[in-house]
Amino acid sequence: DSGVTQTPKHLITATGQRVTLRCSPRSGDLSVYWYQQSLDQGLQFLIQYYNGEERAKGNILERFSAQQFPDLHSELNLSSLELGDSALYFCASSVLGARDTQYFGPGTRLTVL
Amino acid sequence: GQQLNQSPQSMFIQEGEDVSMNCTSSSIFNTWLWYKQDPGEGPVLLIALYKAGELTSNGRLTAQFGITRKDSFLNISASIPSDVGIYFCAAQGPNDYKLSFGAGTTVTVRA
Repeated sequence: DSGVTQTPKHLITATGQRVTLRCSPRSGDLSVYWYQQSLDQGLQFLIQYYNGEERAKGNILERFSAQQFPDLHSELNLSSLELGDSALYFCASSVLGARDTQYFGPGTRLTVL
Repeated sequence: GQQLNQSPQSMFIQEGEDVSMNCTSSSIFNTWLWYKQDPGEGPVLLIALYKAGELTSNGRLTAQFGITRKDSFLNISASIPSDVGIYFCAAQGPNDYKLSFGAGTTVTVRA
């Protein structure tokens, strides 16, 4: 158990819908990262938050957004869903420092029908 | 797409054999990490390397951070059935904390 929790475990929805994925980081970790894992693209970095502020952005679609709340949990919002958005979405957390090590949650499997 | 070239893509090994896999890149990194992922689960950290030339062990696992900062390898000694899974290399830095991942090495152990 990495200490990172994600909900829900599975999500099935239809095209055009909007969903919210939730992540709680390990105790003491201030930084949260979101990654997408698909069969064709592998594991891809989406976005990073640190202590409530956006820190870095990867290849995240404009239909996707995220935020980190004062209690440090984070939410990833996916809207106008398309079939190609079906993937595993992982959250990772770290302390953020010279020896930064990211620990991953169990993921949310999103299926868009 | 992937910035890290990980090989081999897959391997079938006999229980008790040693396993080697590696990752290379055209870019330099500050940190190399190795993760293992079981189907439907999140990547689990195996070994973290923070310094060029560093050699680190974790039980039967040994990994090295290449001296050029552009590569890393992972060795598994005396493989056992629970070593089955997908192994990913990941690298970080030097300008940010995001991880770039290799495409993974799928390990299947024959009992």
